[in-house]
Amino acid sequence: DAKTTQPPSMDCAEGRAANLPCNHSTISGNEYVYWYRQIHSQGPQYIIHGLKNNETNEMASLIITEDRKSSTLILPHATLRDTAVYYCIVRVGGDMRFGAGTRLTVKP
Amino acid sequence: SQTIHQWPATLVQPVGSPLSLECTVEGTSNPNLYWYRQAAGRGLQLLFYSVGIGQISSEVPQNLSASRPQDRQFILSSKKLLLSDSGFYLCAWSVGTGPSPLHFGNGTRLTVT
Repeated sequence: DAKTTQPPSMDCAEGRAANLPCNHSTISGNEYVYWYRQIHSQGPQYIIHGLKNNETNEMASLIITEDRKSSTLILPHATLRDTAVYYCIVRVGGDMRFGAGTRLTVKP
Repeated sequence: SQTIHQWPATLVQPVGSPLSLECTVEGTSNPNLYWYRQAAGRGLQLLFYSVGIGQISSEVPQNLSASRPQDRQFILSSKKLLLSDSGFYLCAWSVGTGPSPLHFGNGTRLTVT
C-alpha cells in the first residue's frame, strides 16, 4: 500500500472549517483513500473513503485531487469534540496500516 | 446493523500471567477480523488478521497468539505476559476483499505490572 504524509498537528477555531491535508504521491490506480480519527482512549472511528470522486457524508467531505496524489478532509463546522488524531490511509483491501496522523486541536 | 464488542475494557495483569481478550461481531457473516496494538503515544500495529474460522495470519512474531473458534469470534491470548505486552488492544472487522473499511471496537487497555 502507498505511504501517506500528514502534518503532525493542526489547530482550528471552533465553528470554522477544518481542512486536513494528506499527500499520497505514490498511490496506485486501485487504491482508495480512507480517513479515520481517534479520540483519546477510544478505537479509531471510520470517517469517509473515496477512490477518485469527491465524497461527502454526515461527518465530513473528502476532496481528492485530479491526479490523486493528495487529498483533503474537510470538517465543515469544527466543534471541540472533533479534537482527535486524524489518520489518512491508502489501501486496496485487507488490513489497514496506520501512520502517525495529524493531531487536530479545536480551540474555543 | 453491525456491532463489535470487546472485553474487558481495562485489565491489569502481573508479569507471567496468562491473557485472554475476546472480540465478537454481530450483524454480519464471515467478517475479516483483526487485532491491533497501540503502545502509549505510538501508532497502531497490526498483530493478527483472519479471513475465516481457523485461518490466522500473524504480522509480528511475539508473545501473543490469536484464535478464531467461531465465525464472529476472535480471541487474543498469551501464556505468559511480559511487561512489553502493555498497551491498547483493538479488534476490528471488515467484509470482503474489496474497499470496505475496517470498523474498530472500543479497545482493551492492558497494563502488565
